[in-house]
Amino acid sequence: DQQVKQNSPSLSVQEGRISILNCDYTNSMFDYFLWYKKYPAEGPTFLISISSIKDKNEDGRFTVFLNKSAKHLSLHIVPSQPGDSAVYFCAARRPMIKAAGNKLTFGGGTRVLVKP
Amino acid sequence: NAGVTQTPKFQVLKTGQSMTLQCAQDMNHEYMSWYRQDPGMGLRLIHYSVGAGITDQGEVPNGYNVSRSTTEDFPLRLLSAAPSQTSVYFCASRTFSGNTIYFGEGSWLTVV
Repeated sequence: DQQVKQNSPSLSVQEGRISILNCDYTNSMFDYFLWYKKYPAEGPTFLISISSIKDKNEDGRFTVFLNKSAKHLSLHIVPSQPGDSAVYFCAARRPMIKAAGNKLTFGGGTRVLVKP
Repeated sequence: NAGVTQTPKFQVLKTGQSMTLQCAQDMNHEYMSWYRQDPGMGLRLIHYSVGAGITDQGEVPNGYNVSRSTTEDFPLRLLSAAPSQTSVYFCASRTFSGNTIYFGEGSWLTVV
């Protein structure tokens, strides 16, 4: 039972255009969402996050949108650059319970290729 | 500024062999965890620890053991390796209340 899904395994976009990555979740208890970026042979690195009390968070070229009623979030990269070519994971967190330590649930990832 | 360090980076095991993946962090993080990454499956939590002496199971704990004798170290043991454990393993850490997880560079394990 995948609680966090990224339905597009891959995305190809031209340099300078917008990349839109989508993520759907099923657990309404999730209260915090994160996007991670992963290059080959490296560990994932944190990119941007959003709390469930917001519907948008922006950091430079990266913007995350959250639609709680649809249980959907998206990551927009504008403009896309060749260095953005990587695998992107969305992740979701339930409210922190002391013993559980607020574990993250990850989606399957979307591989983005930005063509020069 | 080491962050999260994992060793070894690559390992080939024969079915039935045992081994330990090492993980150390120098950020004094309370929370440490192990994930495995398989194609199309994302990152799945194997085991985690909220502090020294405390460990618990994640989504896919079978075939793996962990211990947390110090804040810094969180080794992952494969007691009897199986081909299904061929994967990329990531160790991660964060402060207990923090939102951002910091990952190691990964350990590529092949079981033949």
